[in-house]
Amino acid sequence: AQSVTQLDSQVPVFEEAPVELRCNYSSSVSVYLFWYVQYPNQGLQLLLKYLSGSTLVKGINGFEAEFNKSQTSFHLRKPSVHISDTAEYFCAVSAWGSGNTPLVFGKGTRLSVIA
Amino acid sequence: NAGVTQTPKFQVLKTGQSMTLQCAQDMNHEYMSWYRQDPGMGLRLIHYSVGAGITDQGEVPNGYNVSRSTTEDFPLRLLSAAPSQTSVYFCASTRGRDSSYEQYFGPGTRLTVT
Repeated sequence: AQSVTQLDSQVPVFEEAPVELRCNYSSSVSVYLFWYVQYPNQGLQLLLKYLSGSTLVKGINGFEAEFNKSQTSFHLRKPSVHISDTAEYFCAVSAWGSGNTPLVFGKGTRLSVIA
Repeated sequence: NAGVTQTPKFQVLKTGQSMTLQCAQDMNHEYMSWYRQDPGMGLRLIHYSVGAGITDQGEVPNGYNVSRSTTEDFPLRLLSAAPSQTSVYFCASTRGRDSSYEQYFGPGTRLTVT
């Protein structure tokens, strides 16, 4: 079975400052990794995904994430945040490719950008 | 394409009532899933389906039933609603390997059980 741990439930950060949202996962099989964003009272939108290849993946809205297999981590970063980045962010792992279950989500990190 | 649609958007039930949350997708996706979202808990998998006629349980299946008679539809049934089922429910679908298993989410159904 897979599991995901998001190490911070809330992250406050000032506008234009950098941010890192941390995610660790565990799995006995190869996985795909995803970050989703949920703006207030909305559904989930894909930010980026890691499938294979380059360990640094770039997503929408200036976000990027780095896959680290040895540390089983997939941390999300942005060099300069905007007020509009205030949202909840979910890390997720999928082992569909190995015939297992759909997405398993972390509990989320609420990013609050302060003006 | 409408993508993944869910109805209703909001619902209030009394304890013991039953209802069906509807989910449909028009992308010919093979895989569909139901999640519930509760504050501080992230999204938890209720049931999922890997194709018409095939369903399986997720992490929190108790109190819910599903069926998948067509590729497009994946309804979630609450058999006898309980206050613990107050939540926001999301349906998702993916084409599977061809789309690297990226999931597309519906807008959600906010359910309150009193």
